[in-house]
Amino acid sequence: DAEITQSPRHKITETGRQVTLACHQTWNHNNMFWYRQDLGHGLRLIHYSYGVQDTNKGEVSDGYSVSRSNTEDLPLTLESAASSQTSVYFCASSESGTHMETQYFGPGTRLLVL
Amino acid sequence: QKEVEQNSGPLSVPEGAIASLNCTYSDRGSQSFFWYRQYSGKSPELIMFIYSNGDKEDGRFTAQLNKASQYVSLLIRDSQPSDSATYLCAVNRAAGNKLTFGGGTRVLVKP
Repeated sequence: DAEITQSPRHKITETGRQVTLACHQTWNHNNMFWYRQDLGHGLRLIHYSYGVQDTNKGEVSDGYSVSRSNTEDLPLTLESAASSQTSVYFCASSESGTHMETQYFGPGTRLLVL
Repeated sequence: QKEVEQNSGPLSVPEGAIASLNCTYSDRGSQSFFWYRQYSGKSPELIMFIYSNGDKEDGRFTAQLNKASQYVSLLIRDSQPSDSATYLCAVNRAAGNKLTFGGGTRVLVKP
């Protein structure tokens, strides 16, 4: 079955370290998204991509970067982890760019920055 | 003003009753509206979406959209304890597929 996976599922790191969270989908979806979820803020968009070599900033992109070298993967990198980046991170994907397309979410990664 | 607003709850509902959830949005150009359910510690899963004014029914769920008043609602009929979760409203504001989420409404269905 097609799916979307994230790894690791849990991560503890120290302030200042570079961290990469993986997202892999087997639906062959063009669109991929990264969100963070914090109490009181709901889901907020970090970065997104509409296809290979395409990346765009979301509303909370500072301190994060992504790259899209193939259709299946959109890794999220925290350049220098900060305590404010402690959160639950969700990756999502959708098939095309129409406004009706459903986004499907991965299981999430819980990140703790000490 | 937040772009997408929901009452955080908790909304406490007796088993078998109707749960009514509301969501308001600020951008009149918004085109489509999604309701996701999220169990504690899990990822959001789609319940249904709506993009035309009026009602859309899917099983025990009904989404209602009123673009003139800029609100979308979700009704859960015959609520079950398994419906206890946080319900997220998401709005697609423009071309492309970016979603803006509300903070979610926590629903508790009591047996």
